[in-house]
Amino acid sequence: KAGVTQTPRYLIKTRGQQVTLSCSPISGHRSVSWYQQTPGQGLQFLFEYFSETQRNKGNFPGRFSGRQFSNSRSEMNVSTLELGDSALYLCASSDRPGGSGSYNEQFFGPGTRLTVL
Amino acid sequence: QKEVEQNSGPLSVPEGAIASLNCTYSDRGSQSFFWYRQYSGKSPELIMFIYSNGDKEDGRFTAQLNKASQYVSLLIRDSQPSDSATYLCAGLIVPSGGYQKVTFGIGTKLQVIP
Repeated sequence: KAGVTQTPRYLIKTRGQQVTLSCSPISGHRSVSWYQQTPGQGLQFLFEYFSETQRNKGNFPGRFSGRQFSNSRSEMNVSTLELGDSALYLCASSDRPGGSGSYNEQFFGPGTRLTVL
Repeated sequence: QKEVEQNSGPLSVPEGAIASLNCTYSDRGSQSFFWYRQYSGKSPELIMFIYSNGDKEDGRFTAQLNKASQYVSLLIRDSQPSDSATYLCAGLIVPSGGYQKVTFGIGTKLQVIP
């Protein structure tokens, strides 16, 4: 079974531009979560989608948005890029959403390295 | 205060020794905990999860959870140079009436010296 794929793997943008990142989950997985990873803050949760609905959202400004399509592929968009948005963006897929006390293993993709100049 | 706290390290141990990685959390509602390993330039991969107080062993790895003291630890016995990586602790919170949220610590960098 193919793993989680993310495109593009590397991206260089300038301040003020916008960017769209894509994530294709493992076949059959309907939950996709997005994370931002930086050396100073570690892995920070952006949002989670399940069956095209945003289920949870982290503490990021409205410039960060996402969506999920009927085939479970997900996109994340960042508008008006800032220097501080330079990071590794990881998506993770799971075969079921979180529920009370349930354990669902997340499988991470290779990430998209975004550099904002 | 971060919800999941870890010392960023680096933690250096000689080959063959026991590496002890620690993590504390602030939300008593946290129900399950995960340890992910992340090699440099790679994405995190799950190595252990624990949700009951006590110890859970899997090969050379032992996860320990103490809910009263709100700490989680990971012990790696007979450490090998291939264990050199950043270890991320994560907690699963399921707020009442809400959906789960996974919160990660900053990660502890482990260096195993041959």
